[in-house]
Amino acid sequence: NAGVTQTPKFRILKIGQSMTLQCAQDMNHNYMYWYRQDPGMGLKLIYYSVGAGITDKGEVPNGYNVSRSTTEDFPLRLELAAPSQTSVYFCASSYRVSDGYTFGSGTRLTVV
Amino acid sequence: AQKVTQAQTEISVVEKEDVTLDCVYETRDTTYYLFWYKQPPSGELVFLIRRNSFDEQNEISGRYSWNFQKSTSSFNFTITASQVVDSAVYFCALSEAEDSNYQLIWGAGTKLIIKP
Repeated sequence: NAGVTQTPKFRILKIGQSMTLQCAQDMNHNYMYWYRQDPGMGLKLIYYSVGAGITDKGEVPNGYNVSRSTTEDFPLRLELAAPSQTSVYFCASSYRVSDGYTFGSGTRLTVV
Repeated sequence: AQKVTQAQTEISVVEKEDVTLDCVYETRDTTYYLFWYKQPPSGELVFLIRRNSFDEQNEISGRYSWNFQKSTSSFNFTITASQVVDSAVYFCALSEAEDSNYQLIWGAGTKLIIKP
C-alpha cells in the first residue's frame, strides 16, 4: 500500500520558472491537501480538495494552482517561481475531514 | 476564533525521563477533533492520535499517553521513559465539525530533544 506519493523529492528552480509537484494517493480518500512548511515553522495550507473536480484556497494560495481531475491525483502548479516559495511542500489526504491525515514524504523546493 | 497553542518551543530531557508536551486549544464548537502528529528529523509527518470532543477518556499506547481535559481546553501528550528515537517536532492540531472550512488548525510545534 503506497499511501501518498509525492514527486519529486527535491528540486531547484530558477526565478520565473514553473513546475508541477505531483501527488497521488491510493487509499480512495476524498480529501486532499497541499501544505508548505518553511524552515523551523509549522504548516500552512495552500489548497485543498474535497473530491474530484472540487478545489478551494487555503491560507496561502498566491502563486499556486491546483486541479483534481481524479480522486487519486492532486497536482500543485507553481507559476513564475519566486525565492519566497522556497519551502518543503507536503501533500496529505484523508477519508473524512475529521480523520487523521496521511502525509506524503514531502518535496524540498529551492528557488534561486 | 479557533486557535491551538503549544507554548513549549523546545524541550530537552535525558533519555528515560518522562516528558509532557502541552497543547491548549480554543474553539466555539461543541463538536471538534484534536490530533497529534510527529515530525522526526527525517522530515516526514506521522499521525499519532485523534480524539473527538465527546470522548474525554485518556489514551495510552505503549510509552505514549494523552490527557484530554475539556475543562482546561487541553490535550497534553506524555512520553514515558523517553528514548532518543522520540526526538522530533510534535504538532497538536484542531479540526472543528462546523465552520472549519476544512482547515486543520495547527499549533506551532514543540521540538523535543532526547539526549542519550
